[in-house]
Amino acid sequence: SYELTQPPSVSVSPGQTARITCSGDALPKQYTYWYQQRPGQAPVLLIYKDAERPSGIPERFSASTSGTTVTLTISGVQAEDEADYYCQSADSSGIYRLVFGGGTKLTVL
Amino acid sequence: QVQLVESGGGVVQPGRSLRLSCEVSGFIFSNFAMHWVRQAPGKGLEWVAVISYDGTKRYYADSVKGRFTLSRDNSKNMMYLQMNSLRTEDTAVYYCVRPPVQFTDAFDMWGQGTMVTVSS
Repeated sequence: SYELTQPPSVSVSPGQTARITCSGDALPKQYTYWYQQRPGQAPVLLIYKDAERPSGIPERFSASTSGTTVTLTISGVQAEDEADYYCQSADSSGIYRLVFGGGTKLTVL
Repeated sequence: QVQLVESGGGVVQPGRSLRLSCEVSGFIFSNFAMHWVRQAPGKGLEWVAVISYDGTKRYYADSVKGRFTLSRDNSKNMMYLQMNSLRTEDTAVYYCVRPPVQFTDAFDMWGQGTMVTVSS
């Protein structure tokens, strides 16, 4: 089955830049989406169609792609950014299947 | 405003059944495909199933295929997830989710979730 791979954890100090990667063989062929989930809350859509930001999402959240790896970048990290981050995409094998990465816990030191 | 409210969760023994409901408001339900996404305690997100806007197409994750059935009633703004032959690994918070306006394969508006615990 198709899998997306994320690092389990990333740590940064306030004001620094955090980068969270997501790897998957089909990522060059399918859009990637990113979600933020704070403890006890439902996820929030951060990035859609690889690099677009929904209205209301701060500009410090951005994303880029390079081959089979996509990267979520959080510039000027704030304490409130401490959360779990998930990438999500679709299987490209012809079977309809949506897949999440395992999630990355961002810790703001 | 957009609201999605799940109900029907609870504690059930392995092998038994449960039906989850999702009542929506604040948007034209019949215009949107709808998803279920689940999250086991302390674990990540898992897509469960999707139903097309008119209910004619349904797709399921391999982990639930053949056991779960998704349906909707557009006249009532309701979606249902019938879960049969439940297993302990089905224990999770189940979220009803609406995709963004322009496309289907992502998750934009989420309910608060309903907890399903499968245990003997």
